[in-house]
Order: sequence, then structure tokens, then C-alpha cells
Amino acid sequence: GNSVTQMEGPVTLSEEAFLTINCTYTATGYPSLFWYVQYPGEGLQLLLKATKADDKGSNKGFEATYRKETTSFHLEKGSVQVSDSAVYFCALRKDNAGNMLTFGGGTRLMVKP
Amino acid sequence: DAGITQSPRHKVTETGTPVTLRCHQTENHRYMYWYRQDPGHGLRLIHYSYGVKDTDKGEVSDGYSVSRSKTEDFLLTLESATSSQTSVYFCAISDPTTLTEETQYFGPGTRLLVL
Repeated sequence: GNSVTQMEGPVTLSEEAFLTINCTYTATGYPSLFWYVQYPGEGLQLLLKATKADDKGSNKGFEATYRKETTSFHLEKGSVQVSDSAVYFCALRKDNAGNMLTFGGGTRLMVKP
Repeated sequence: DAGITQSPRHKVTETGTPVTLRCHQTENHRYMYWYRQDPGHGLRLIHYSYGVKDTDKGEVSDGYSVSRSKTEDFLLTLESATSSQTSVYFCAISDPTTLTEETQYFGPGTRLLVL
């Protein structure tokens, strides 16, 4: 079946540090890939997505590239801010899967001033 | 923000009692979903609906039932709550126009504690 694996957190960084959160997936075919972010006390919000191999999704300084050869979709940001502190979820939607998402376990990011 | 509300936002109940959570949307989206969020598990799909009176099971459907009598409302019922159902429950909606473009929008969540 489909599965998504994320690096365990928490990830603690200082402001302006470089961020990488690893995400790898298992699925047949060509799934669409997503990063969602959950700020404290809120629901999930779509951060970025990529729908085919080699696509790069980007938003708010975050980016992730769909790498089919390594089945990965790592999230990166060049300079994090305190306001980026949140939980980040990687997810996939398999082709013709009734629009259902499979989520990773989430990675908590804490950014210190 | 997508127009999604969940009620109640917080609930404490006792083991063995029935509980119903409500998700209401104003976007007229076709698909609606119920997830539970637990530490280390991310979000797991409980049930989903692809139209009025059309529902199907997700990954963790045991102990839960759903109903959708109107486009805007999707109800999740715990017939007899257990402590293992203590969780945060999220509703989501989507309305894909193509098979490769799909975004789910999430509600604010309901925190349920079963004692």
C-alpha cells in the first residue's frame, strides 16, 4: 500500500538557518505529492504541491522537488523565521485513488530567535 | 480561507456514550473527509464522502459511522466511545476539477477526550 515516511522531530533551528525536512514515499504509479503545515491550535494548510516527476513546488520561501528516482519530496527553506515554527506534514495522493491523501507522521519545527 | 466549521470544538465524554461531531461547509464541495490526528501517526482517514448519501471507509473506520444527508454537512458518530478514540478530529473538503489537481482544505479540528 501507499506510505509516507518523514524524519522524526522536533527539529530545532536558530533563526535564519537552513531547513531540510526529509520525506520519502512508497506508492505505485505517479502520485501527487504535498506538504501541509499546521500552526499551533489550527487545522492543516496546504503549503506546496507537485504533481509529476521533477516538478518543484514552492510557496512562502519553501520549496520541494518531486524526485521519482529516489521517491523523495524533501522540504527546504533557505532562511527560517520564528513564525515558521509549526508541524509539517508530507502527503501523497495516488492516481485514481478517490482523492484520498496518505500522510506522514509529521515533523515539528521549532525556530529560536 | 475555505468555509469549514466543526462543532463542537472541544468535548469531554465518558466511555460508552455516543458522540456526534459535525462538519459544515459553505463551499459546495463534493468531497468531504474525516481524519483523526494522533502523535506519531500524522492524520489517518476515518471515512469520506463523495456526494450526498455516498460514503466509504478509510484506513481506521472501526467504531465510527458517518452520514451525509446534505452537501454541506458531514456527521461523524462514535456509537459507543472508547478511550482509544481520544484524539483530534479534522474535517476536510475538496472539489477536484481534474484527476491531477486536488487540494484538501481542513477545518479547525475538534479535540475529543474520552474518560
